[in-house]
Parts: sequence; structure tokens; C-alpha cells
Amino acid sequence: TQLLEQSPQFLSIQEGENLTVYCNSSSVFSSLQWYRQEPGEGPVLLVTVVTGGEVKKLKRLTFQFGDARKDSSLHITAAQPGDTGLYLCADNDYKLSFGAGTTVTVRA
Amino acid sequence: DAGVIQSPRHEVTEMGQEVTLRCKPISGHDYLFWYRQTMMRGLELLIYFNNNVPIDDSGMPEDRFSAKMPNASFSTLKIQPSEPRDSAVYFCASSLVRGGEAFFGQGTRLTVV
Repeated sequence: TQLLEQSPQFLSIQEGENLTVYCNSSSVFSSLQWYRQEPGEGPVLLVTVVTGGEVKKLKRLTFQFGDARKDSSLHITAAQPGDTGLYLCADNDYKLSFGAGTTVTVRA
Repeated sequence: DAGVIQSPRHEVTEMGQEVTLRCKPISGHDYLFWYRQTMMRGLELLIYFNNNVPIDDSGMPEDRFSAKMPNASFSTLKIQPSEPRDSAVYFCASSLVRGGEAFFGQGTRLTVV
């Protein structure tokens, strides 16, 4: 069974600062997805990465997939209060399994 | 499409009662997932279906939990009898293809007293 570890568990920063959250796996990802969940809602897909070494950018968000496809990071530049939420990584091979998530709070 | 629709949004029930949660996936999606989310355990996959067939139910915690998908547009998750430790938010999600984007419903918040 693949284990997904996310760090840190909690992160609180001031508006305008940068942040990075991490996702590590005990085995190779087939593909990795990042989701964001806001309070009272279900998770929403941000990005899917498939190729080792891949970098994807989505406005102020930068996603990196490790060369060995066992780790990934999400970097947010100049964070805004709207970035507040629970960030989840997931392996979506046969079934969609999630890590425990990183709760990000961006203070105005 | 209106997205994945779950009902009810909130459910409060007494211990020992039967609870049925309902999900309507996005039309045309071949995969349907049921999750349970708590602060302690995070987002746990309970069961998933492909083309209405249960593929992996290894996450179903006990025999008290059962899930069905009688057709492509409807699924239920039943807990009988319910216990206070079943209190959680239950999510349903669907995806078009294996490895594709999963679309989540808004969840059902279950409280068992």
C-alpha cells in the first residue's frame, strides 16, 4: 500500500509571503494530482503531473514533480488570503488515494 | 451538468439507526468514489466503482457499511447500525477516466449522537 506523506501539517503566513508544501511517497507515483479544499466544500483539482522532473505553473502556483516520481512540491508566490485552504496530494492510479494534507492559512 | 450531487447535506441521527447517503455522479463518468473525512484520519477512500461495479472496497471500515450502485446515475452508502464514531463528512466523487480529474460533491455531514 502506497503511503503519501505531506508536510508541513499546518502553515500560517502573512499575505505577500511565499510558501512551499511537500508530498512524498513510499513508492513511485503513476501520476500525481494536487487538490485544494476550502471549508465546507469538496476538493478541487489544481494540477496533474505525470513525467519525472516536470514543472507546471498555474498563475502564482508552481508544481514540481521529482525526477524519481516519488515526491512533489507546490510553491505559492506572493500568497493571498484566497489561497487559504487544505492542500492535498493524491495518487490516481487504480484508485484515488490522498495524503493527510497541509492546512494553509494566509493572513491579511 | 450540475456536478456531483449528494444528499442530504446534513444528517443527524441516533446511535443504532440506519443511515443512507446518496450520490448522483456527473453523467458519463465511469468511476465513482466514496470517501470519509475526519480531522484525525483525513480523507479516506472507502470504496470505488467502475461502470457500476465495485472494484475495491478495502477501505470500508466494517460490515456495518455497505455501498451500491444500481445504475450509472445513482449510488448509495449505507451504515447500519450507525455509531457515534461514524460521525464525519462523507464525500462522493466521480471521474471520466482512470487517472482523470475527480469531481467532488459538497459532502454529507453526518452526526451520530
